[in-house]
Amino acid sequence: DAGVTQSPTHLIKTRGQQVTLRCSPKSGHDTVSWYQQALGQGPQFIFQYYEEEERQRGNFPDRFSGHQFPNYSSELNVNALLLGDSALYLCASSLLGTSGIYEQYFGPGTRLTVT
Amino acid sequence: AQKITQTQPGMFVQEKEAVTLDCTYDTSDPSYGLFWYKQPSSGEMIFLIYQGSYDQQNATEGRYSLNFQKARKSANLVISASQLGDSAMYFCAMREGGSGRRALTFGSGTRLQVQP
Repeated sequence: DAGVTQSPTHLIKTRGQQVTLRCSPKSGHDTVSWYQQALGQGPQFIFQYYEEEERQRGNFPDRFSGHQFPNYSSELNVNALLLGDSALYLCASSLLGTSGIYEQYFGPGTRLTVT
Repeated sequence: AQKITQTQPGMFVQEKEAVTLDCTYDTSDPSYGLFWYKQPSSGEMIFLIYQGSYDQQNATEGRYSLNFQKARKSANLVISASQLGDSAMYFCAMREGGSGRRALTFGSGTRLQVQP
């Protein structure tokens, strides 16, 4: 059973450009969350998708947008990139586990560098 | 105010010894969950242990245990018999509210280094 997968692994973009990151959740997981982790910090919540709609959003500008597809996979789009957008972007999928809690499984992340 | 506070930026421990990583939290919601994750240098967040706010007993998972002191709003992670492979960043996180789909709020992490 494949875990959460993300693509690409690394990418380098220039200020002002746009980027799309992709996430495939763990099999059967219907909820996908995105987090931004700057170097030396803990992950910060960007937004969450469930049933193809954005359900929650953290304190991120509208330059950050997303989408969830019928197969539960998700994309994170960032427009007008800034140097400060350089970070590890983590995708997490979740499902109600046998333990009775929503277990979040994280992918390996996409390392974005903006120059 | 910080919702999750981890005051130890870095910790050292000798192999086979126990270590405690501190975490305090702040919430007014009576229903919440506390999580610990391990992040090796590869970047992937690995779930270690969970404690619900209504759980009467401290959670344990193998060598990991969570010292939950609700009145003090602390949820410290105890790793027994440390191994070299335990060297990593450790993050405490909280989910507020009864809905399991709510987002996690993370602390700033503690870097643990296990010495032989």
